[in-house]
Amino acid sequence: GAVVSQHPSRVICKSGTSVKIECRSLDFQATTMFWYRQFPKQSLMLMATSNEGSKATYEQGVEKDKFLINHASLTLSTLTVTSAHPEDSSFYICSATLGGPDEQYFGPGTRLTVT
Amino acid sequence: GENVEQHPSTLSVQEGDSAVIKCTYSDSASNYFPWYKQELGKRPQLIIDIRSNVGEKKDQRIAVTLNKTAKHFSLHITETQPEDSAVYFCAASIGGAQKLVFGQGTRLTINP
Repeated sequence: GAVVSQHPSRVICKSGTSVKIECRSLDFQATTMFWYRQFPKQSLMLMATSNEGSKATYEQGVEKDKFLINHASLTLSTLTVTSAHPEDSSFYICSATLGGPDEQYFGPGTRLTVT
Repeated sequence: GENVEQHPSTLSVQEGDSAVIKCTYSDSASNYFPWYKQELGKRPQLIIDIRSNVGEKKDQRIAVTLNKTAKHFSLHITETQPEDSAVYFCAASIGGAQKLVFGQGTRLTINP
């Protein structure tokens, strides 16, 4: 149980375009989902916390107008990178939790390359 | 805000020996401390976690110890095997919340 999927697994887009990444909890309802960004050989950096039906909470330094997060249901959260630039190229990983300070179940990640 | 420091950044041990990775955290209200193993290009996988009301937890070859007073926790891997080679991350909850702050990671290499 506790499986989280992400789609797409990798995407290449041109500078200035937008890209949408989906995160789904397949066998449980996630009260909260998180979005992380991981640059090569670096740690996971939390970008935002997403709760179903409410606005996402962004970490300091993360542009909310650039990284749009929608959490329409208890099993789906989406991250849209708007007007992507090469410096947005990274590994984006989502996670989902059942609630409380508890285990986070990670998705497989999405490798974004902006050319 | 919460800060998690992880050491060492790289660790190389002979197969069969033990490996220890250490982390310190800053928020005294943190109460959940997971350890993740990440292979290249893959998702982080939880290998063990510990809560603030416990000082030690063991699962086969893996153990974690927590010293709340000193605000540090450690991962111990015994009888290391080549498949243990990966990057390991510690994390700490931000207070009693769900958010996690990750350490910088340790690249563990097991030499056959």
